[in-house]
Amino acid sequence: GDSVTQMEGPVTLSEEAFLTINCTYTATGYPSLFWYVQYPGEGLQLLLKATKADDKGSNKGFEATYRKETTSFHLEKGSVQVSDSAVYFCALIDSGYSTLTFGKGTMLLVSP
Amino acid sequence: DSGVTQTPKHLITATGQRVTLRCSPRSGDLSVYWYQQSLDQGLQFLIQYYNGEERAKGNILERFSAQQFPDLHSELNLSSLELGDSALYFCASSLGLLNSPLHFGNGTRLTVT
Repeated sequence: GDSVTQMEGPVTLSEEAFLTINCTYTATGYPSLFWYVQYPGEGLQLLLKATKADDKGSNKGFEATYRKETTSFHLEKGSVQVSDSAVYFCALIDSGYSTLTFGKGTMLLVSP
Repeated sequence: DSGVTQTPKHLITATGQRVTLRCSPRSGDLSVYWYQQSLDQGLQFLIQYYNGEERAKGNILERFSAQQFPDLHSELNLSSLELGDSALYFCASSLGLLNSPLHFGNGTRLTVT
């Protein structure tokens, strides 16, 4: 079946540091890939998405590129802020389906 | 604001009891999904409805059931509750088209004592 593997957290960074959160996937079809973010006490919000190989999703300074050859969708940001502290989830929807499969989430803690 | 509304925000109940969680999807969305989030299991897909019909089933226990009504709101019923059912229950909605992104509500935190 489909699965998503994320690096375990927490990831602890200082403000303005570079962020990478690794995500790899396995899927039977040709999936669309997503990053969701969950701030404390809130639901998940869609951060960015990519629907085909080599697509780059971007939003709020975050980027991720759909790499079919390495089955990866790593999340990056050049300069994190304290307000980016949250849990980040990588997810996929496999072709022919409409339900999301999530990774376990990676907590990001950014200190001033 | 995602546009998905879940009620109640918090529920505290005892083992063996039954509760109902409610979800109103975003305007225009036809599909509703239920997810359970716990510390040890992460986010687990429970069930999906599309325009009133069940479309996909995940790791939903037999003690749990759901439905989507003609006005597209959905309810998740949890019965014979156990301590292990304590979790955050999220509802999400989407257009229901293939690869449509899901939009999540803020969840209902269920505590079973």
